[in-house]
Amino acid sequence: GAGVSQTPSNKVTEKGKYVELRCDPISGHTALYWYRQSLGQGPEFLIYFQGTGAADDSGLPNDRFFAVRPEGSVSTLKIQRTERGDSAVYLCASSLTGGAGGYTFGSGTRLTVV
Amino acid sequence: AQRVTQPEKLLSVFKGAPVELKCNYSYSGSPELFWYVQYSRQRLQLLLRHISRESIKGFTADLNKGETSFHLKKPFAQEEDSAMYYCALISGSRLTFGEGTQLTVNP
Repeated sequence: GAGVSQTPSNKVTEKGKYVELRCDPISGHTALYWYRQSLGQGPEFLIYFQGTGAADDSGLPNDRFFAVRPEGSVSTLKIQRTERGDSAVYLCASSLTGGAGGYTFGSGTRLTVV
Repeated sequence: AQRVTQPEKLLSVFKGAPVELKCNYSYSGSPELFWYVQYSRQRLQLLLRHISRESIKGFTADLNKGETSFHLKKPFAQEEDSAMYYCALISGSRLTFGEGTQLTVNP
C-alpha cells in the first residue's frame, strides 16, 4: 500500500481480555517496528522485525506482549490479560532495510482498557 | 543506556519570532539524531536528521557533541509550524524518543 496501515484505529477492551493489533507495512519494506506511546510521553520501542524474525524484542514490557510477522509483511501485536496500564497508542513503522531515516509511521491504534 | 531529554513540554511564540526547541542526549558512542514532527490529526513524520545537515521547512538543527545537544531552530516561526516535536536518537535500529515539545505559534 501507499503507507503503513494500522487497524483498528481505536480499540476499547475490558481488563483481562485479549487483543490483537494489526500493522500492514509499506510493500517491500523488510524492517517493521512497534512502539507504544502513553499519554504525555514520547514513543517507546517495543520490538523490531527484520523479515519474519524478531531482531530485537527487548522493549516488550512482559510476557503478556507478543508479536508475529509470519510472512515478512503484515505484523500482529498481541496482548494477553490486558491491564489498564496497557492503555496507550500503539504505533507501527516500517522501513526499506532498517535505520530511522527511512521510517514511515502508521497513524496508530489507540487502545483503551477499561 | 541512551536517553533523550526535551526540557520544555510546551513552547509558545508569536508568528515571525525565532523559535528554538531544546534537545539534550546521553549516549556512549557517536550519536545519530533526528527530529520528528506530528501535526494535529496526522501521523508522526521525519522532519530532519543531523547527518543530512539540511534545512527542512526553514528548520535547522546542529549537533553539538560538547554540549550533547541537538536543538531545533527556525528564525521566523509560522502558524503552520504549530505541532508536537520529538527529538530522537538511534541505536542499532531502535529509536529513543524524548517526551516531546508542543509548539504553538500564535498569530
